[in-house]
Amino acid sequence: NAGVTQTPKFRVLKTGQSMTLLCAQDMNHEYMYWYRQDPGMGLRLIHYSVGEGTTAKGEVPDGYNVSRLKKQNFLLGLESAAPSQTSVYFCASRVFLSSYEQYFGPGTRLTVT
Amino acid sequence: ILNVEQSPQSLHVQEGDSTNFTCSFPSSNFYALHWYRWETAKSPEALFVMTLNGDEKKKGRISATLNTKEGYSYLYIKGSQPEDSATYLCALRKDRGSTLGRLYFGRGTQLTVWP
Repeated sequence: NAGVTQTPKFRVLKTGQSMTLLCAQDMNHEYMYWYRQDPGMGLRLIHYSVGEGTTAKGEVPDGYNVSRLKKQNFLLGLESAAPSQTSVYFCASRVFLSSYEQYFGPGTRLTVT
Repeated sequence: ILNVEQSPQSLHVQEGDSTNFTCSFPSSNFYALHWYRWETAKSPEALFVMTLNGDEKKKGRISATLNTKEGYSYLYIKGSQPEDSATYLCALRKDRGSTLGRLYFGRGTQLTVWP
């Protein structure tokens, strides 16, 4: 099992460009999450999904869109990147059972200039 | 938005010292408390998931306790080693409701263990 994988690992964008971050998990997990991590801020939830075809907003959803067309994939889109979206993005997934921990991907470091 | 507070923000100890840090959270609608270990340039890894008041969990030299009535959890590391250097995150899971599956993370305690 690869666990949770994220592509790309690094990316530099110019302001206004768009991109999609891909999260994939091979553990058949129902729940998937996108977080951003900024210095001194901890992990903040952007969007999450409780199953294929369903998504919900987290704490900081503005400027991002998501899609979960397949159970194993959760896509995070930036339609028009802004310097404030410079961050490290982590994807996570977990099983349906309530107390189980989340499994995190390795992160994507995004810089918007 | 929930306030999950961790203290101290950072901690520097000598190899062999024992240390502990705190996670505080609102005690209402408690469902579970998670602890994660996050090494630099890696992804967070789960240490413990705690659900019951009075719960104590242990993994090697690391242990955690939980008090849901007063809203806090302690993480202890006995005989710290340089490889324990990491950021330790706690995260609160509320009741099922509309935030199903969602975790509210604290900002972490950054531990550095000097040889």
